[in-house]
Amino acid sequence: DAKTTQPNSMESNEEEPVHLPCNHSTISGTDYIHWYRQLPSQGPEYVIHGLTSNVNNRMASLAIAEDRKSSTLILHRATLRDAAVYYCILRGPISSGSARQLTFGSGTQLTVLP
Amino acid sequence: ETGVTQTPRHLVMGMTNKKSLKCEQHLGHNAMYWYKQSAKKPLELMFVYSLEERVENNSVPSRFSPECPNSSHLFLHLHTLQPEDSALYLCASSQDPGLADYTDTQYFGPGTRLTVL
Repeated sequence: DAKTTQPNSMESNEEEPVHLPCNHSTISGTDYIHWYRQLPSQGPEYVIHGLTSNVNNRMASLAIAEDRKSSTLILHRATLRDAAVYYCILRGPISSGSARQLTFGSGTQLTVLP
Repeated sequence: ETGVTQTPRHLVMGMTNKKSLKCEQHLGHNAMYWYKQSAKKPLELMFVYSLEERVENNSVPSRFSPECPNSSHLFLHLHTLQPEDSALYLCASSQDPGLADYTDTQYFGPGTRLTVL
């Protein structure tokens, strides 16, 4: 399975933008890039996903490099409630059924400073 | 509130006990999952059920026994556990991507914190 590499931890000031990087140099052409986050004492929650084009939703934006070997999750204005572990995950081809697999790495622990 | 509930939220059990974890989803999904999150380790997928049939079993010891009586409920039966089985057990649900041509989102419950003495 293609793997992802993320920094162990990052800090941000409240109300400032945060750019969380993820490297996935062995990504295949059919892998989707998913981001989940896990707040303290909770299960993971979906943030955003994309294939090739940049994506926006109410929680965040996902910027995908042209060669798809890296991506960046962008939180436009960090709040204290955004402090969490952020996971960048590749999902396999839908037709094979391996897309069921969510393979979590260690993620990035985001600390938001007031 | 994600639409996936888990009970109990905390459980302490001895190695000779038998207990069960329960998960219920109110999202109309057809796939359910059990994950294990040990301290300092990434989440590990344990079991996957699609349409109440087990479709994946990731080399989990037999002391963990899943059961999916219908598409809304998932159980994890525990017996003769070891202290190293202490962990956060997470349940998730989704529309099974293997049956439809799109990529799914998994919705997680809050987990059951299990301590084995």
